[in-house]
Amino acid sequence: DAGVTQSPTHLIKTRGQQVTLRCSPISGHKSVSWYQQVLGQGPQFIFQYYEKEERGRGNFPDRFSARQFPNYSSELNVNALLLGDSALYLCASSPLAGGAYGYTFGSGTRLTVV
Amino acid sequence: GENVEQHPSTLSVQEGDSAVIKCTYSDSASNYFPWYKQELGKRPQLIIDIRSNVGEKKDQRIAVTLNKTAKHFSLHITETQPEDSAVYFCAASIRDQAGTALIFGKGTTLSVSS
Repeated sequence: DAGVTQSPTHLIKTRGQQVTLRCSPISGHKSVSWYQQVLGQGPQFIFQYYEKEERGRGNFPDRFSARQFPNYSSELNVNALLLGDSALYLCASSPLAGGAYGYTFGSGTRLTVV
Repeated sequence: GENVEQHPSTLSVQEGDSAVIKCTYSDSASNYFPWYKQELGKRPQLIIDIRSNVGEKKDQRIAVTLNKTAKHFSLHITETQPEDSAVYFCAASIRDQAGTALIFGKGTTLSVSS
């Protein structure tokens, strides 16, 4: 069974640019959540989606947006990048509507904003 | 807002010793408390979790205890081995909109020397 796959693995962007990160959940998992992990900190919740609907949103600015597709894969978009957006972006999938129970994390996308 | 505090931030033990990491949470509605292990450059991996209707759970050398009244929970690792060296994160569930997310502690860097 394939785990949670994220792409790309690494990305370097310039301030002000836009970025799209992608996530494919474990087969059969309908819930996808996104987390931002700044170096030296724990992951911080950005979004949760279940059955293509947003179920939760963390304390992030409107520059962050996401969506989930009919095949349950998901994209995270960040506009007008700031240096502070540099982080590891983790996607987690779960078989449950509640989302947080039994997360499996992907390996993440390392975003560097210069 | 809700938060999770984790102590200590670093912990060094000799191989074979026990290690204890403690967390406190603020949201009395939290009902799910997972622990994740993250090795350098890798994704967080769930090692054990506990729900609020249980006071203790054990899995081989790892155990978690929960005190809902005091709002704290702890990870206990016995007979530590060098491969236990990693960053450990505790987390507590929060309800957000129609879903559930996790609030993470800042992590404990465990070093096991042989």
